[in-house]
Amino acid sequence: EAGVAQSPRYKIIEKRQSVAFWCNPISGHATLYWYQQILGQGPKLLIQFQNNGVVDDSQLPKDRFSAERLKGVDSTLKIQPAKLEDSAVYLCASSFTGTGGPDTQYFGPGTRLTVL
Amino acid sequence: AQSVTQLGSHVSVSEGALVLLRCNYSSSVPPYLFWYVQYPNQGLQLLLKYTSAATLVKGINGFEAEFKKSETSFHLTKPSAHMSDAAEYFCAVSYRGGGNKLTFGTGTQLKVEL
Repeated sequence: EAGVAQSPRYKIIEKRQSVAFWCNPISGHATLYWYQQILGQGPKLLIQFQNNGVVDDSQLPKDRFSAERLKGVDSTLKIQPAKLEDSAVYLCASSFTGTGGPDTQYFGPGTRLTVL
Repeated sequence: AQSVTQLGSHVSVSEGALVLLRCNYSSSVPPYLFWYVQYPNQGLQLLLKYTSAATLVKGINGFEAEFKKSETSFHLTKPSAHMSDAAEYFCAVSYRGGGNKLTFGTGTQLKVEL
């Protein structure tokens, strides 16, 4: 079974530029998560999707971050414009249902973003 | 609100020695507790999880953890460390009805020395 796929693996941009990350979850997984992992910290949930709908985006900085999950499969996370403090690893995870639980979340390898 | 505290950002053990990584949780409702491992440049992999069944949970690669409600702890142990165990370990908490949202600790980097 293929795991969670993410691209790109690495991205370097300058502040105020925009960037997008892509995630393809495990086939059949209804729930998709985006986490931000700053160096030296644990992952922090940015947004959670259940199929096409947003379940939780309470920690997403909505003035600059946006995410979508078209057709309930792939997802894209965008930052526009980027700030220096956005430098982090962005992890995508998926789970079978995301309701009740606890479902196991399966993580992708992450995208390491460096903002100069 | 739920939170976890991992004591010791860096732990060093000798190969063959006991591994003990500490995690204390705070939760206003019965928690679900998890340990994840992260190898360099890789995503997180689930080691084990506590779901209110047995308090002693066995996971992959010889790891286990014991849920102690009285101590609000969920420490991770392995009897004999192997070089391949060197990685970062994260404790996380969620709860029933919480939509599967995980709250992670800050992680413990495990170093295994010869």
